[in-house]
Amino acid sequence: VHLEESGGGLVTPGGSLRLYCGASGLNFSDAWMSWVRQAPGRGPEWVGRIKSKSDGGTTDYAAPVKGRFSISRDDSKDTLYLEMNSLKTEDTALYYCTADGGDYTTYYFDYWGQGTLVTVSS
Amino acid sequence: SYVLTQPPSVSVAPGETARVTCGGSNIGDKRVHWYQQRPGQAPLLVIYYNNDRPSGVPKRFSGSNSGNTATLTITRVEAGDEADYYCQVWDTVTTHVVFGGGTKLTVL
Repeated sequence: VHLEESGGGLVTPGGSLRLYCGASGLNFSDAWMSWVRQAPGRGPEWVGRIKSKSDGGTTDYAAPVKGRFSISRDDSKDTLYLEMNSLKTEDTALYYCTADGGDYTTYYFDYWGQGTLVTVSS
Repeated sequence: SYVLTQPPSVSVAPGETARVTCGGSNIGDKRVHWYQQRPGQAPLLVIYYNNDRPSGVPKRFSGSNSGNTATLTITRVEAGDEADYYCQVWDTVTTHVVFGGGTKLTVL
């Protein structure tokens, strides 16, 4: 499994950015996928997830990003997206794309990309 | 919201056994997952469902979970095991992921 993120960069507060994650080596259309971020010197923080279309294709978001961030997928391109709006300085982090595992009782991150850096600064 | 508590650091000599704890209210009722993060690298899943190992993870890595504490145990510790270790659960009440604060394992 190979996950490759792109789209990171420097953006001013209040701005927008779109991240991409290309996937290979897995049946992407069946995969539940997440974005996890890690601020400098901090631990990982889950951003949100999207289920496979066969499982409804719905999304869930962590409280700090709900209403500002949006996760989507294009199964025809094996690509995951993260649309980030109204960015704040505290959104500065390395953003990882993950392919997930679990069941109705639990959830975990099976595979990780190498991350793309987002810096929010004036 | 659910909180996971890890010691900031654990130190162990090569060849010894390292134990990294993860505390949470009735965590024994949850499934705990563990990640290893070496400097400059992405996290790597090393234990899932309390004590299952993904393919490629050495048998030296094991997990346990009971009561209010989950534990990652690494036997015959090697220099290459030096890393940050994070526990993680799924909070079924909020349907959100929760990570512990991480433990830095130092191999003396």
